[in-house]
Amino acid sequence: NAGVTQTPKFQVLKTGQSMTLQCAQDMNHNSMYWYRQDPGMGLRLIYYSASEGTTDKGEVPNGYNVSRLNKREFSLRLESAAPSQTSVYFCASSDFFPGASYEQYFGPGTRLTVT
Amino acid sequence: GENVEQHPSTLSVQEGDSAVIKCTYSDSASNYFPWYKQELGKRPQLIIDIRSNVGEKKDQRIAVTLNKTAKHFSLHITETQPEDSAVYFCAAGLTGGGNKLTFGTGTQLKVEL
Repeated sequence: NAGVTQTPKFQVLKTGQSMTLQCAQDMNHNSMYWYRQDPGMGLRLIYYSASEGTTDKGEVPNGYNVSRLNKREFSLRLESAAPSQTSVYFCASSDFFPGASYEQYFGPGTRLTVT
Repeated sequence: GENVEQHPSTLSVQEGDSAVIKCTYSDSASNYFPWYKQELGKRPQLIIDIRSNVGEKKDQRIAVTLNKTAKHFSLHITETQPEDSAVYFCAAGLTGGGNKLTFGTGTQLKVEL
């Protein structure tokens, strides 16, 4: 099992450019998440998908959109990148059935720089 | 929404000593409290978690305590080793409906020889 995979690993964008970060999981989890991590700020939730077909805003959704393509895949799109979006982006997945582990499994991260 | 505060932001201990990291949360409905460890350049990984129906949980050198009344929980690492050096994050959330978590800002633990 690969767990949670993310592409790309690194990306440099110019202000105003757009891009999509891809995430896939092979653990048959229902829930998926996108976080950003900035120095001293911890992990902040951007968007999440509790189950296939649903998406909800997290703590810092402005400037981002998401798509839950199917149960395995959850993408994050930056329509017009800004320097304030320079960060490390983590995708995660988990399940929530009673008796199941609630652990969130993280992908390796995407380091994004916007100049 | 939920707010999680974590202290201290940095912690330096001698090898073999104990380390304690404390977190407080604001939403009394939260019922799930995990702790993640993140080594430099790596992804966060769960080290221990506790649910609100339990006051304490232990796994070898790591233990977590929860005080629901005071809305705080703590991570205790005993007999620290150099490989314990990392950033530790606490989180709080409500199981079901997506298992959304709110994370603390992290504690940089350094174990010195």
